[in-house]
Amino acid sequence: KQEVTQIPAALSVPEGENLVLNCSFTDSAIYNLQWFRQDPGKGLTSLLLIQSSQREQTSGRLNASLDKSSGRSTLYIAASQPGDSATYLCAVLVPTGANNLFFGTGTRLTVIP
Amino acid sequence: GAGVSQSPSNKVTEKGKDVELRCDPISGHTALYWYRQSLGQGLEFLIYFQGNSAPDKSGLPSDRFSAERTGGSVSTLTIQRTQQEDSAVYLCASSPMQETQYFGPGTRLLVL
Repeated sequence: KQEVTQIPAALSVPEGENLVLNCSFTDSAIYNLQWFRQDPGKGLTSLLLIQSSQREQTSGRLNASLDKSSGRSTLYIAASQPGDSATYLCAVLVPTGANNLFFGTGTRLTVIP
Repeated sequence: GAGVSQSPSNKVTEKGKDVELRCDPISGHTALYWYRQSLGQGLEFLIYFQGNSAPDKSGLPSDRFSAERTGGSVSTLTIQRTQQEDSAVYLCASSPMQETQYFGPGTRLLVL
């Protein structure tokens, strides 16, 4: 069964710092990997989606990479801002089954002004 | 275009009451999912609808939980005789076939 792990579980950084969030998964047979943002008590906002054939995706200050063979992805946030404070979740979509979206445990990011 | 919408956004109820949560998927998406996220926990799969096929209910935690999807579009998740442990954010997602899932904003349920 696919397992997704995120490190660190929590991270505090001063405003302006660049940071990296890590995601690892145990089975490389995936359709895609997606990074989400979740604010407290809210739903999920999709940030970036990387198809299994791609290596990275960029959106503004965010860059996500995917190394499918090693089962790893990183989310790079440049020039962090207090508004980036949230929980970041990665999820992998696998080809089979109804319950086919496996989420990581999340990294809770706090950007200190 | 319009994304997935859910209503209500927040619901407070008393223990023992029934609640209904609604999900409007993206038009044309044949697959619809319900998830639950309890405080400090990860997302828990509840149920999956695909077209006119019988739903996959393997994630429903008890027989107090049920869901319907009418006309292949709108879905309702019903929780009967709510318990305090049912308090959570309930998330709905839809997708074209079994592909990328698009999430709604969630319904935050609080059972007193």
